[in-house]
Amino acid sequence: DTGVSQDPRHKITKRGQNVTFRCDPISEHNRLYWYRQTLGQGPEFLTYFQNEAQLEKSRLLSDRFSAERPKGSFSTLEIQRTEQGDSAMYLCASSLDPGLAGGPNEQYFGPGTRLTVT
Amino acid sequence: GNSVTQMEGPVTLSEEAFLTINCTYTATGYPSLFWYVQYPGEGLQLLLKATKADDKGSNKGFEATYRKETTSFHLEKGSVQVSDSAVYFCALLRWTGNQFYFGTGTSLTVIP
Repeated sequence: DTGVSQDPRHKITKRGQNVTFRCDPISEHNRLYWYRQTLGQGPEFLTYFQNEAQLEKSRLLSDRFSAERPKGSFSTLEIQRTEQGDSAMYLCASSLDPGLAGGPNEQYFGPGTRLTVT
Repeated sequence: GNSVTQMEGPVTLSEEAFLTINCTYTATGYPSLFWYVQYPGEGLQLLLKATKADDKGSNKGFEATYRKETTSFHLEKGSVQVSDSAVYFCALLRWTGNQFYFGTGTSLTVIP
């Protein structure tokens, strides 16, 4: 399977703990995106990378959140001191650079990591 | 700003009924418009897209036309099947291609 993969698929943690999620994009995609989806809502943009550079961060991404893509391949999203409000599905997506693809193009989504903070 | 307003659900239809899910948008620049589908327990899958005004996207019997004059991208299918039961998301992609803006999703259940 050459799609976007995410690990773990589910994570249950206690309030105050740190958690880290991993995303492996489609190998030829140089753009990687993180979204958060709460129950009954559509995904909301958190941040995106072009290669290893983090180019944009949403105001939803508080100081407790940090994302990295150290070698321009996989990415990690860490949440420190988790709160119950962090409970959500965290989605990763990847795409080609629009400049290379000839314009805005679809993002391919992974299955998501469902986080439950108790 | 950029936003998507989507018809609220849930929607329940009998098999072979006609489906319309309304979607309107506001956007700066020239966005591309998409419909994604999410089946239970799975990630979002692209259903169809349109990149400029008057384009029609189509796939698996679904279609939607990019209407700039009414800022709409309504999803239609002439005859739904039980297997179409899922949550449907309308989304716009900024012309810079940096991020999607999604609607809240419309849950569709098709009963035999």
